[in-house]
Amino acid sequence: EVQLVESGGGLVQPGGSLRLSCAASGFTFSRYWMSWVRQAPGKGLEWVANIKEDGSQKYYVDSVRGRFTISRDNAENSLYLQMNSLRVEDTAVYYCARDDIGGFFPSWGQGTLVSVSS
Amino acid sequence: DIQMTQSPSTLSASVGDRVTITCRASQSISNWLAWYQQKPGKAPKLLIYKASTLEGGVPSRFSGSGSGTEFTLTISSLQPDDFATYYCQQCNSYKAFGQGTKVEI
Repeated sequence: EVQLVESGGGLVQPGGSLRLSCAASGFTFSRYWMSWVRQAPGKGLEWVANIKEDGSQKYYVDSVRGRFTISRDNAENSLYLQMNSLRVEDTAVYYCARDDIGGFFPSWGQGTLVSVSS
Repeated sequence: DIQMTQSPSTLSASVGDRVTITCRASQSISNWLAWYQQKPGKAPKLLIYKASTLEGGVPSRFSGSGSGTEFTLTISSLQPDDFATYYCQQCNSYKAFGQGTKVEI
């Protein structure tokens, strides 16, 4: 059974940093693209970033490019999101999701809440 | 970047109704479209991918159609468990979601 477990969320001040982690199990992690998707309170889903199987390609939504960095450790079956220069508008539940061939997400974690507030 | 627009934003319906949600892409995405269902406090659940392929375990009352820029999700006979918010998603490199359609009583 595919399992994705996010951690690392919390309360941070504007301008601060946070690193999210996603522990994957139940599938061969190194064979899949992986994504981060977020959802602000009461709002819709927003794709944030994704990373190729070997980490050689990364894509970001415009609003986080230059501030967030996606990475992975295939030996540890883990996905990361380093978030710097956080803004109030980055407040959201952050989900990690497995990208399947075709670009859709059949598997999601339970999410971790990031709150950016002074 | 490709933008996705869903309509309506909210839909009031009753058990047994046939429900249709529309999703439009700002440029052609062939059939690279997925649909998700989300309930409050839960992660989204994949319903349909490649515009019309039903994900395993999803009831057959859900169906998807369309290609290019216009797509629809249809629920043939709405069940109590189907009251939720539905999102479309274009499946290219920058994976934009539609803004969501809340199906309520």
